[in-house]
Amino acid sequence: GNSVTQMEGPVTLSEEAFLTINCTYTATGYPSLFWYVQYPGEGLQLLLKATKADDKGSNKGFEATYRKETTSFHLEKGSVQVSDSAVYFCALTDPTNDYKLSFGAGTTVTVRA
Amino acid sequence: DSGVTQTPKHLITATGQRVTLRCSPRSGDLSVYWYQQSLDQGLQFLIQYYNGEERAKGNILERFSAQQFPDLHSELNLSSLELGDSALYFCASSAAVGNTIYFGEGSWLTVV
Repeated sequence: GNSVTQMEGPVTLSEEAFLTINCTYTATGYPSLFWYVQYPGEGLQLLLKATKADDKGSNKGFEATYRKETTSFHLEKGSVQVSDSAVYFCALTDPTNDYKLSFGAGTTVTVRA
Repeated sequence: DSGVTQTPKHLITATGQRVTLRCSPRSGDLSVYWYQQSLDQGLQFLIQYYNGEERAKGNILERFSAQQFPDLHSELNLSSLELGDSALYFCASSAAVGNTIYFGEGSWLTVV
């Protein structure tokens, strides 16, 4: 079956620090990979995606590269801001599972000024 | 703004009651999904519709039901509500199966 494993939080950082959130996956087929973000009191927003191996998704200074050899899709940002405080979810869709979206448990990130 | 609209945003109701959550997908999207987010269970897939037909079922309780109408909006009906049904219910949509899925802002349900 499909599963997504994210590093456990919470993660607390100072402004301008480097952020990495690890994500690994298990999939039967060739999945598409996503990072969604949930800001406090808000819904889920698509942050970035990658649909095939070695693709790099990027948005708002965040990046993640689809690594098939390590089955990973780690999220990185070079210099975080207080406004990046949110819960980040790694997710995948797999054609062999009818493209159902499978989520990781989420990682809570708090950035302090 | 994802383009997925959910109503109501907040709802408080008593145990044993029934509520209906409504979702309008992004313009042109044929596929609608419902998810439940609770503190202890995380994000759980409930059900998916495609162009009016049920496509996939996840961890949806028998007390819950959903449908997608000809105009593609969807409703999630929750009945005989229990305290444990308190959660954030997300609707999401995609153009077709396999396309990127976009989420609404959710409906907060509190059962008291």
